[in-house]
Parts: sequence; structure tokens; C-alpha cells
Amino acid sequence: GAVVSQHPSRVICKSGTSVKIECRSLDFQATTMFWYRQFPKQSLMLMATSNEGSKATYEQGVEKDKFLINHASLTLSTLTVTSAHPEDSSFYICSAAGGAAEQFFGPGTRLTVL
Amino acid sequence: SQKIEQNSEALNIQEGKTATLTCNYTNYSPAYLQWYRQDPGRGPVFLLLIRENEKEKRKERLKVTFDTTLKQSLFHITASQPADSATYLCALEVSGGYNKLIFGAGTRLAVHP
Repeated sequence: GAVVSQHPSRVICKSGTSVKIECRSLDFQATTMFWYRQFPKQSLMLMATSNEGSKATYEQGVEKDKFLINHASLTLSTLTVTSAHPEDSSFYICSAAGGAAEQFFGPGTRLTVL
Repeated sequence: SQKIEQNSEALNIQEGKTATLTCNYTNYSPAYLQWYRQDPGRGPVFLLLIRENEKEKRKERLKVTFDTTLKQSLFHITASQPADSATYLCALEVSGGYNKLIFGAGTRLAVHP
């Protein structure tokens, strides 16, 4: 299957700082990228959908000013958690789709906010 | 509202047996349903997709059924191996475009030698 990478895999930051997570599709052009958050033993919760060159569409309850998404190219999307707080600590996962129904997921980023 | 249910209890089976996992949904008529595998601390990996007009799909030791009347999908792993131990997620397409998915909480499978 297609390969999607995420960087960093793990990040620890102080409360109030901003953290940027990169998601790259390595061997295909992703028309759409998705950002999910997963708390321990819970399901993946979709945060937002982004298409290259346009503004991201956020799910209900997700603050767009706190979770900034940039989809600059067909192979790169970034999620910036601004002014992070301990409750933002979670496992953030991106996925990419190339037009077909299946999504290819990155390995995830473990964010810990102290 | 749309709801997906997977058995939250872990499924423990003996190596070589067939594992069967269940996914039920309500208030929903998805065009397709997908199954993913997730290992601890990793992102999900796509396994199979089945469309609403398909009753059954197979891939190697995997089989998925889709009953739109019962609003249920069954996921089978035949001749299970310890390496099949993981959490298996059911996901349904959200109407409205962009191939959005909503996921069940997953069922953890443990295959014992």
C-alpha cells in the first residue's frame, strides 16, 4: 500500500507552546488528507479534512484557531497545535487519500503537554 | 445520530482457529465499509473494503461480509496466528463527499499459541 510518514513521532512540550506535526505522502499524490486524534482505548476521532490549496473543513467541536491545518502541496499537510495545554495530550494521526475510498495512515505522533 | 458498535471486550482465541469480529451500525446507510488493523502506538493499516452491493469479500485469510438489512459486518480471520493479534477497527463512509470515515472503537484480538 501507499506510504505516509509523520514527523515527529513523539513530542513533549510545555504548556502554552505551539507544536507542528508534518504528514507526508511519500509515493502518491494525496488529493485529501485527514487529521485524527485518538485517546487511549478510544476510537479515532476525525478532527478535520483538508484538500490541497483550500481551507480545511473542521468537525464540530474542533477549534480551527487552535488546530491550524495547512495543506500546501499534494504530498504535505501540517497540523499546528497552538498554545497547547495538558488536555491536548493525545495521539495524533494523519491519513491520505488519492481519490479512492481507502485511506493510508501515518504512524502517528504522540503529543505530551506538561 | 450515526453510531458504530464493536465488541469492546477482547477476543481471545487459540492459534489455528477462526476469529470472527462484529461491527454493527445504526441510523446510517453507508455506501461502503472498511476494516483496518491497528497495532499499539501505530496508525491503522487498511485491510479490506466492501461496498453496499457486495455480500462478501475475501483477501487471503481474511473474509468480510456486509448485511445492509441487519446493518452489520462480520470480519473473519481463518487459520489465525499469534501475529494476527492486534486491534481491528471498522470504519464507515460518511455521506457528503471527501471519503470521510467514522470509526468504531475497535476490538482487540489476542491469538494464543
